Amino acid sequence: DTEVTQTPKHLVMGMTNKKSLKCEQHMGHRAMYWYKQKAKKPPELMFVYSYEKLSINESVPSRFSPECPNSSLLNLHLHALQPEDSALYLCASSQDLTNQETQYFGPGTRLLVL
Amino acid sequence: GQNIDQPTEMTATEGAIVQINCTYQTSGFNGLFWYQQHAGEAPTFLSYNVLDGLEEKGRFSSFLSRSKGYSYLLLKELQMKDSASYLCAVRDKAAGNKLTFGGGTRVLVKP
Repeated sequence: DTEVTQTPKHLVMGMTNKKSLKCEQHMGHRAMYWYKQKAKKPPELMFVYSYEKLSINESVPSRFSPECPNSSLLNLHLHALQPEDSALYLCASSQDLTNQETQYFGPGTRLLVL
Repeated sequence: GQNIDQPTEMTATEGAIVQINCTYQTSGFNGLFWYQQHAGEAPTFLSYNVLDGLEEKGRFSSFLSRSKGYSYLLLKELQMKDSASYLCAVRDKAAGNKLTFGGGTRVLVKP
């Protein structure tokens, strides 16, 4: 089983709203990732968690706040977003950050900020 | 930083073969991945190369030459469902083993 699940599938929010994206995997993976993907562009890395600790933050604005409550869950808290933040948000996981581990992606949350 | 280049778009006929090239420059190469992504869907893993040579998986093969900073994905016996974007991604040890994606190659398979 190489399944990563994400909820919700679609989200529409105003610029003053607070919402959260959720990601879950039960493969025993210890590295989890958030990516942002705009239309017809490749995924761009936002955050990496390794063993539930933040390992990489790609200079993401503070209106995006990641959280890893346990080894199976990864959240992305959203607050005061801008319309340009509208994108597909992809979660991925891999066994860990060391060699030769493949990342598996979830189906994504399509976010629209009005 | 890393530069990962791949063609923007390719068109091929059903049943034919298409080769998608990817060139990269990275300071701490630690593997190259190919993903397939259909419009509006998540990327799905196709192949992984870390040593030079050819990896074959059914209709899909991937080749790597580390000295040339070059990889290709070969799609044989093309089917209509192969119409998708194909993403080349490089893992860099010097950047915490994160993946950096190329811009993707949109492949259109025509009947």
